[in-house]
Amino acid sequence: AQSVTQPDIHITVSEGASLELRCNYSYGATPYLFWYVQSPGQGLQLLLKYFSGDTLVQGIKGFEAEFKRSQSSFNLRKPSVHWSDAAEYFCAVVFSSNTGKLIFGQGTTLQVKP
Amino acid sequence: GAVVSQHPSRVICKSGTSVKIECRSLDFQATTMFWYRQFPKQSLMLMATSNEGSKATYEQGVEKDKFLINHASLTLSTLTVTSAHPEDSSFYICSARGVAGGSDTQYFGPGTRLTVL
Repeated sequence: AQSVTQPDIHITVSEGASLELRCNYSYGATPYLFWYVQSPGQGLQLLLKYFSGDTLVQGIKGFEAEFKRSQSSFNLRKPSVHWSDAAEYFCAVVFSSNTGKLIFGQGTTLQVKP
Repeated sequence: GAVVSQHPSRVICKSGTSVKIECRSLDFQATTMFWYRQFPKQSLMLMATSNEGSKATYEQGVEKDKFLINHASLTLSTLTVTSAHPEDSSFYICSARGVAGGSDTQYFGPGTRLTVL
């Protein structure tokens, strides 16, 4: 079955520290990959996406993600976290370009310590 | 660009009444819109896929007679929760699919908080 896994439910980092949020998906072909961020009570904002080409993609707010086909992973990184980055982060995958349906991971809650 | 709005942002209603939620793509045309439901501290659950001019496709376990979806134009889809009950209280989020220049991306609305008393 098609699935997306975010192994870390909750992560706490200190402000200024680096961040990596993990995402793995189950499927054979290369899907479309996305990271979204959600602040409390808000909708989702697109951070970045990968369709093809360079496997290291840059997004907004200083985030980047790297697609690793061999590991079926699309981990999100940021070199230096700001307090305003505290939010819920969702990895999502489109397995079928025909339907365009997004399959979401469970989400990772990021807490930033002063 | 790629802005999606939802109205209302918050609604409180009595049990047994119906509630309509609108989802609009403001600066692009969306042949496909999606409706999600999100419970507190959980991920988004896809309810249905809405295609302009055709019937919506519902995910398994979602009651199509309870959650009526209409996609009347390329910029508007509506979700009507009929005969709402307290267990329907949730955060409902829509998204609009934008396909242009090889980019296939869903853009999300800000969500609607439904509380059924």
